Amino acid sequence: DGGITQSPKYLFRKEGQNVTLSCEQNLNHDAMYWYRQDPGQGLRLIYYSQIVNDFQKGDIAEGYSVSREKKESFPLTVTSAQKNPTAFYLCASSIWPNYGYTFGSGTRLTVV
Amino acid sequence: KNEVEQSPQNLTAQEGEFITINCSYSVGISALHWLQQHPGGGIVSLFMLSSGKKKHGRLIATINIQEKHSSLHITASHPRDSAVYICAVVDTGNQFYFGTGTSLTVIP
Repeated sequence: DGGITQSPKYLFRKEGQNVTLSCEQNLNHDAMYWYRQDPGQGLRLIYYSQIVNDFQKGDIAEGYSVSREKKESFPLTVTSAQKNPTAFYLCASSIWPNYGYTFGSGTRLTVV
Repeated sequence: KNEVEQSPQNLTAQEGEFITINCSYSVGISALHWLQQHPGGGIVSLFMLSSGKKKHGRLIATINIQEKHSSLHITASHPRDSAVYICAVVDTGNQFYFGTGTSLTVIP
């Protein structure tokens, strides 16, 4: 079955450490996205990528980095520069622009 | 100011009730999505609309482009419908805007 796999589901890290969240899709979608969800807030776009080796900042990109070396993979690194990293992170993919939009199951990151 | 407003924020219903969730938006859109987020966090796309009405099982989604308003209806609600329902719009520049969600609890 085609879909998006995010791993791990729960992640704990010490303050000051970088951490990388995995997102893999086998839908042959060109576009991939990373969102952050905080309690009481809508999803906010961190980064998105329309094609391999290209990505764009979203609304809240500061403290995050991404890479898109393969069509299937769009890992997100939460760096120590991100002031409030504890959140729920969702990866999504779509046929550009915005058809067949599919979400992953999310990763809950807790920084202690 | 949020580009997408949903109401109500929280909703509790008895099993079997007819449920309506509303979404108003302020931008020109190319499409509107209704998403369902289960307690584990994963999100499923229920509908994508650009006009009119769509139906899938007990779920019905309508959109009025002139009034910038959409509704999601659930007929004969069931406890398994308990989830957060999120309205999202795509503007004419392909930018997504998300509502904060409606948390639905259906009691047996």
